[in-house]
Amino acid sequence: EAQVTQNPRYLITVTGKKLTVTCSQNMNHEYMSWYRQDPGLGLRQIYYSMNVEVTDKGDVPEGYKVSRKEKRNFPLILESPSPNQTSLYFCASSLSIADTQYFGPGTRLTVL
Amino acid sequence: AQSVSQHNHHVILSEAASLELGCNYSYGGTVNLFWYVQYPGQHLQLLLKYFSGDPLVKGIKGFEAEFIKSKFSFNLRKPSVQWSDTAEYFCAVNRGDSNYQLIWGAGTKLIIKP
Repeated sequence: EAQVTQNPRYLITVTGKKLTVTCSQNMNHEYMSWYRQDPGLGLRQIYYSMNVEVTDKGDVPEGYKVSRKEKRNFPLILESPSPNQTSLYFCASSLSIADTQYFGPGTRLTVL
Repeated sequence: AQSVSQHNHHVILSEAASLELGCNYSYGGTVNLFWYVQYPGQHLQLLLKYFSGDPLVKGIKGFEAEFIKSKFSFNLRKPSVQWSDTAEYFCAVNRGDSNYQLIWGAGTKLIIKP
């Protein structure tokens, strides 16, 4: 089944404790992206990757890191999480920016 | 900076009413336009998209949208809504000039009363 998976689905952590949210797709897509969704703000793009080893900042990259060492995986790293990073995070992939994006189920992160 | 505006944050309609959700963007060049929907408890999924050609595009579940370049708009329409259309709707825009960012509107929560 074609899908985007994210793990974990729910995470409660404390300020400053490094964490990684994994994202994997099995559709051989070139483009992958991370978003955060906050009430009243819609989706905001954190980082995106046009293809392997090529990533770039979206609208809200501060406090986040990503890597794209292989086509299928695009982990999101929070080196030192803060409470303002409490949010719902989505990973998405597509053949290209102009194609349909397929979204993962979301990761609800709470930083205390 | 490029922005996308969805003017209606909450819309409540009765079944069989007609629907129009507004979407305006700020970029003046070539654009790729999308409407996505998030049904309760489900993943975001594409409703329809516009790249070029006929400015009236049809999507899934009876939805359509019209690209009006002079108004920088891409409004979503459905002639007769159903209770199952209750969802959150997002407009998204990509600049078509080798830009890889996707800018999203804040979303519109649509509630259909049975």
